[in-house]
Amino acid sequence: AQKITQTQPGMFVQEKEAVTLDCTYDTSDPSYGLFWYKQPSSGEMIFLIYQGSYDQQNATEGRYSLNFQKARKSANLVISASQLGDSAMYFCAMREGEGNTPLVFGKGTRLSVIA
Amino acid sequence: KAGVTQTPRYLIKTRGQQVTLSCSPISGHRSVSWYQQTPGQGLQFLFEYFSETQRNKGNFPGRFSGRQFSNSRSEMNVSTLELGDSALYLCASSPLRTNYGYTFGSGTRLTVV
Repeated sequence: AQKITQTQPGMFVQEKEAVTLDCTYDTSDPSYGLFWYKQPSSGEMIFLIYQGSYDQQNATEGRYSLNFQKARKSANLVISASQLGDSAMYFCAMREGEGNTPLVFGKGTRLSVIA
Repeated sequence: KAGVTQTPRYLIKTRGQQVTLSCSPISGHRSVSWYQQTPGQGLQFLFEYFSETQRNKGNFPGRFSGRQFSNSRSEMNVSTLELGDSALYLCASSPLRTNYGYTFGSGTRLTVV
């Protein structure tokens, strides 16, 4: 079964607007971490934001926030005030358990920011 | 501080050959993981090394192997290359325990012809 599902292969957003990228996950482990990465055309995976399963508040990092709905098993990324440089692939990932288990990635969403 | 360094950036090999990719983690990071990224399969975990020991392994054939040296630098090797091995190979490093996932390198793009 797929552990991370990103249902939007591609998204367009107007510059300066906000955009939400969807991510749902599947795990039976009560302890897990959720991550979002950005991958520009250069190929490097850039860490954006992290949410722990026990965190009470939604994570925020600058223009990035994570809308964490635990009961629905969803961890959507919200990018506010989109910039042209935000155009990239965005990946949601999960790590289960307390130890150093591997990250499992979704298929990604390609975001295109339009001027 | 220097990031994760992967060499080479690009590589073209012929079917049947073998290839070795290198990854230098961030100073102080002892865990190194390798991922394969293809358009069809997405990002798939290959293996993870910690203190020169393989700690986790993904579902890849034995042609894929790796190792880690005492300075935490890691290499991965693919023997008897197949066309389907063409991919972006990403290396990532992390400290012992982290809530911030891994720091990735820019990857090695391998093309098998």
